[in-house]
Amino acid sequence: DIQMTQSPSSVSASVGDRVTITCRASQGISSWLAWYQQKPGRAPRLLIYDASDLQPGVPSRFSGSGSGTDFTLTISSLQPEDFAIYYCQQANSVPYTFGQGTKVEVK
Amino acid sequence: EVQLSESGGGLVQPGGALRLSCAASGLTFRTLGSYAMTWVRQPPGKGLEWVSTIRRGDDVTYYSDSVKGRFTISRDTSKNTLYLEMDSLRAEDTAIYYCAKDRGSSAWPTLDSWGQGILVTVSS
Repeated sequence: DIQMTQSPSSVSASVGDRVTITCRASQGISSWLAWYQQKPGRAPRLLIYDASDLQPGVPSRFSGSGSGTDFTLTISSLQPEDFAIYYCQQANSVPYTFGQGTKVEVK
Repeated sequence: EVQLSESGGGLVQPGGALRLSCAASGLTFRTLGSYAMTWVRQPPGKGLEWVSTIRRGDDVTYYSDSVKGRFTISRDTSKNTLYLEMDSLRAEDTAIYYCAKDRGSSAWPTLDSWGQGILVTVSS
């Protein structure tokens, strides 16, 4: 099974900050990685697919990069609505594992 | 825009069974069979766990090791409904269960539409 490890587990930030979250796969997954945002009591929302493609309707302050085993999600200028938990998920092979999540909190 | 709505959750005793349904609407010009569909679960206060996916077209199915042999994913394209039959339920199956649709033009499963989730509690 491919393990997905996110870091950090949580990050404290202020509105306007640049935030970077890392996701590392235990083996190469090409660019088959997605990023999701989840707010309390809500279903996850797709932000980025195929490692770097922005899902339609998602603000351009979100961006993704990486391939192989190392990936990043960057929020260029954090907005109040961005405080949430972020998950990566590999779409390379069964089981389609998620990372453990990164909580973006108010500093 | 696709809307997904789960039903069928609730409280069940260990060893019991439950069937979840996920009704899809808004699938203009397509049916549910045109997309890979996935169940994801989330234990209370914990992270997301992939459970099962049914492939588009040929309906080949995939399961996590934790549910293989106990859960069955299926769909009825005439009703635009996805199902998850859950047998031999255990306490560790307690979670919110989400159905989700693949976006269809990228690596799959990449989940671009999600239901609101349904709670399954396994307890005596």
